Amino acid sequence: SQQGEEDPQALSIQEGENATMNCSYKTSINNLQWYRQNSGRGLVHLILIRSNEREKHSGRLRVTLDTSKKSSSLLITASRAADTASYFCATVNSGGSNYKLTFGKGTLLTVNP
Amino acid sequence: NAGVTQTPKFRVLKTGQSMTLLCAQDMNHEYMYWYRQDPGMGLRLIHYSVGEGTTAKGEVPDGYNVSRLKKQNFLLGLESAAPSQTSVYFCASSWAGKRGEAYEQYFGPGTRLTVT
Repeated sequence: SQQGEEDPQALSIQEGENATMNCSYKTSINNLQWYRQNSGRGLVHLILIRSNEREKHSGRLRVTLDTSKKSSSLLITASRAADTASYFCATVNSGGSNYKLTFGKGTLLTVNP
Repeated sequence: NAGVTQTPKFRVLKTGQSMTLLCAQDMNHEYMYWYRQDPGMGLRLIHYSVGEGTTAKGEVPDGYNVSRLKKQNFLLGLESAAPSQTSVYFCASSWAGKRGEAYEQYFGPGTRLTVT
C-alpha cells in the first residue's frame, strides 16, 4: 500500500532553474524523508523532517511539511545536471508501525545542461 | 566503514531454483529491511527485522524467507524462484529513535535478479 504519492511523476528543467516536487500522504506520521536514486544505484537519504517541524534546509535543498494538508514539498534550487535522478518521499507512521518506511513511486527529475 | 553491502550484485536463476541474498551492515543498526523495486512500482517492502533474531512480513512477503541470526546480517531467501521475482532487490538498515521510530535508512547497491 502506497502512503506517499509524489507529484509530478516526471519533471524536466534547464540547469540553473529550481525544481519542486510534492508528496502527499494519507495517515498521521512521525517523520517524512526524501531520498534520491541515481539510475541503477541504491537510494541515498537527503533529508528528514519530523511531524512537529514545518521547514528544513540542507544546502540547496528545502523541504516543507504541512501536516494539516498531509503534504510535503522538496525544492532544489539552482539545479545542476548532476541532480538528474529519481526522488522519493517516504513516511514513518506514528503509532505501532513506526519502524518501517513506506515509499512513494517517485519523481524522475531531468536537468538539461 | 563499508556501510551496507549486498552480495551478489547480479544473478540469473532458472524457474524453481533457490538462492540466498546476503546483506551486511557495519553501523550497528537495529533495523534492517529488504525491498524490491520494479519499474513504475517504487520500493515495496518484502520483510524487515527490528533486532537480532526477529523478523516480520512486509507488503509483499510471499515466496521469500528471511533470517537475522546476527545483528549485522540479514539474509533473503528464495526457495523456488519464479519469473515474477525478477526485480532489483535492495537491503537497507537504520537506527531506531527513542520511541522505536525508524530514522534515515542506508541502502546497499542492489542485487539485479533475473528469473528465466
